[in-house]
Amino acid sequence: KAGVTQTPRYLIKTRGQQVTLSCSPISGHRSVSWYQQTPGQGLQFLFEYFSETQRNKGNFPGRFSGRQFSNSRSEMNVSTLELGDSALYLCASSLTTGQPQHFGDGTRLSIL
Amino acid sequence: DQQVKQNSPSLSVQEGRISILNCDYTNSMFDYFLWYKKYPAEGPTFLISISSIKDKNEDGRFTVFLNKSAKHLSLHIVPSQPGDSAVYFCAASWRPRSTGNQFYFGTGTSLTVIP
Repeated sequence: KAGVTQTPRYLIKTRGQQVTLSCSPISGHRSVSWYQQTPGQGLQFLFEYFSETQRNKGNFPGRFSGRQFSNSRSEMNVSTLELGDSALYLCASSLTTGQPQHFGDGTRLSIL
Repeated sequence: DQQVKQNSPSLSVQEGRISILNCDYTNSMFDYFLWYKKYPAEGPTFLISISSIKDKNEDGRFTVFLNKSAKHLSLHIVPSQPGDSAVYFCAASWRPRSTGNQFYFGTGTSLTVIP
């Protein structure tokens, strides 16, 4: 069974640009969550999608947005990139909300 | 505001001995707790969980203890093996939540098991 796939693995952008990250969950998983990991901050919750609906949102500015498609694949978009957005972005999926999550290997975003 | 805290950034243990990783939380509404393990360049992997109706859960070499009155949980690994060397995250949530679920993660403890 294929795991959670995130693309791309690495990305370099400059301030002011926007970026879209992609996540393909495990087949059959309907809940997809996104996290930001920075040194010393652990994993910070961005948002959760379930059946194409955003169910929950963390404490991040509106520049961070996402969506989920009918096949449960999800995208996360960050607009007007700032230096502080440099981080590892992790996607996690589960069969339904509230269950232990399976994580992808992340997208490493670097802002110059 | 960090609602889940892992106050030890790192821990070193001899192979064969017990590893004890600690986690504290501040939100008394949390009723579901999990531990994840993370190797470099990989995403976290689910290890073990515990519901607030229990105070102990075992899975092979891994045991999680929950002390609700102290808002504290710990992960015991016995015996520790070199392959256990990784960063361990604890996480907590409320469940069920009809409006969706949010997991709160600690900052992680890096465990090194010395052969």
